[in-house]
Amino acid sequence: GENVEQHPSTLSVQEGDSAVIKCTYSDSASNYFPWYKQELGKRPQLIIDIRSNVGEKKDQRIAVTLNKTAKHFSLHITETQPEDSAVYFCAAPRLQETSGSRLTFGEGTQLTVNP
Amino acid sequence: SQTIHQWPATLVQPVGSPLSLECTVEGTSNPNLYWYRQAAGRGLQLLFYSVGIGQISSEVPQNLSASRPQDRQFILSSKKLLLSDSGFYLCAWSFGSGNNSPLHFGNGTRLTVT
Repeated sequence: GENVEQHPSTLSVQEGDSAVIKCTYSDSASNYFPWYKQELGKRPQLIIDIRSNVGEKKDQRIAVTLNKTAKHFSLHITETQPEDSAVYFCAAPRLQETSGSRLTFGEGTQLTVNP
Repeated sequence: SQTIHQWPATLVQPVGSPLSLECTVEGTSNPNLYWYRQAAGRGLQLLFYSVGIGQISSEVPQNLSASRPQDRQFILSSKKLLLSDSGFYLCAWSFGSGNNSPLHFGNGTRLTVT
């Protein structure tokens, strides 16, 4: 099955700085990589995802990069704001699925943006 | 558009009592449905998933069970709760056809077993 490792477990940055969270995966056949943001006490929400036919995807201040050769993908947040403070999870699919998207999640990164 | 409803939002139950958490999805047919547990605010552990009515797969041996009596209804149950069952339970759905479909989570149930 898929093994997903996420680093760092905690990240503290100053408002306006950039934040980068990295994940590695084990199954070279994996082809879909979502990122979720979970604010305290709330549900995880999808913020961006990337498929293996592209190397980078951007959505305003958020970007995700994918290196299939090295089997890692990263979340980049630029011009961080206090409301970016949350736990971020990466995920990768289990490819023995014939349908659906059972995802293996990383352990999460607690991002704190200091004003 | 699709929506997912999960209830109750919070629950305090004594050890040994039964449990029933319910989740329903609207706006789509034949979704894949999932139950996750999250302990201590980190780490999403998949407990059960279902690709159709009556079809349940269990990820880890545990004190819990799941059922899918209707296409868009998913229930998490226990006959006798343990202290270790405390946690944040999240129901989720994804489109049933093909892979590369993101998960959409419900608001979660915070369960405290006392």
